[in-house]
This record gives sequence, structure tokens and C-alpha cells, in this order.
Amino acid sequence: NAGVTQTPKFQVLKTGQSMTLQCAQDMNHEYMSWYRQDPGMGLRLIHYSVGAGITDQGEVPNGYNVSRSTTEDFPLRLLSAAPSQTSVYFCASRTDRGSNEKLFFGSGTQLSVL
Amino acid sequence: SQQGEEDPQALSIQEGENATMNCSYKTSINNLQWYRQNSGRGLVHLILIRSNEREKHSGRLRVTLDTSKKSSSLLITASRAADTASYFCALKSRGSNYKLTFGKGTLLTVNP
Repeated sequence: NAGVTQTPKFQVLKTGQSMTLQCAQDMNHEYMSWYRQDPGMGLRLIHYSVGAGITDQGEVPNGYNVSRSTTEDFPLRLLSAAPSQTSVYFCASRTDRGSNEKLFFGSGTQLSVL
Repeated sequence: SQQGEEDPQALSIQEGENATMNCSYKTSINNLQWYRQNSGRGLVHLILIRSNEREKHSGRLRVTLDTSKKSSSLLITASRAADTASYFCALKSRGSNYKLTFGKGTLLTVNP
């Protein structure tokens, strides 16, 4: 049972480049989300999804796109990277059934935009 | 959505001592969760306490919640060097089904 898997672990981009951060979970979780973590800022919610075909915005959605075509995958797209998007990105998932609201996190993607 | 505020920002103790971290918030919550993050790793869920609960235990962890003071505390007893990590409180505000907002964390260092 791999849990939540994020790829790549590290990425360097130039301003204006695009890329997709991958996130996959094998726990059949309905809920998936993306956070970014910046020094002194804690974790901030970017986008989340409560099932295939259903996504919504979090606190800091600008500059990021998401889609959810399967239960397992929730990719995060940067269409035109900016230095302000330099951060560590975490994907997290949980079941939406019952009262267990424990989030499972991936190991993160460290992104630098030059 | 609101963010919890942890206090202190950093805490350094000796192995065997107890560590207490606090989280304060401003509006009504549905539940409050505590997570641990080891350096360079993802967050790991520790414990969840609901708004109608006052205290929960899990191993060496004890969490209290005072909704009248809008605060929670996490106590780690008999700390170990392996407890060195950042600890975050996360809030699920009342009326928000899917948004969990995290504080900025407390960095705990346990010296051997």
C-alpha cells in the first residue's frame, strides 16, 4: 500500500514554463487536495476535489489548474510558472465516508522557479 | 477561512521532559487536528478532537480543547529525540465541509 505518491520530488523551472505535478493515491479516497508550504506561512490550500469531475478552489488558486478524471489521480498544473510559485507542494487525500477526517500526505515536491 | 496560531513558534527541551504546544483560533470550529512534520517530509496525522470533546489521548500525546477560550493544547509526555519535528494544528471551521486550514507550526527540538 503506497498511500499518496507525488512526482517529481524536485523540479527547477524557468519563468514562463509550464509543468504538471503528479499525485496518485491507492486508498480509494474521494477527497484529494493540494497545499503549498512556504517558510513562515504554514500550509495553504490551493485546490481540492471531492470526486472524479468535481474540483473547487482553496485559499490560493491563482496560477494553478486542476482536474480529476479518475479517483486515483489529481494533477496540479502550472500554466506559466512565476518565481512566486517557488514552494514545496503537498498532495493530501482522505476518505469522505464516515467520520474519519484524517488527511494522508505525500512526501512533497520542491519547486524552484528562476 | 481562519488559520490557527501556534504558540510557541519554537521549543527546545531535554529528552524525558514534557512538551506543550498551544493553538488559538478565532471562529467556531467543527474539529481541530494536530499533525507532525519531520524535516523534509510530508505531514503525519496525530490526533483529531471534535468541538464537543474536551480531551483526547493517544499514546504519549494528550490534546485538550477549550471552545470557550478558542484554544487547544498538545502535550507530549516523556519526549524523545525522535519527537523532534514541526507540529501543526489544523482547523475545520463550522460550515466548511472540505477546507482544512493549517497554522504556521511549532518547531520542537528534543535534545538527547
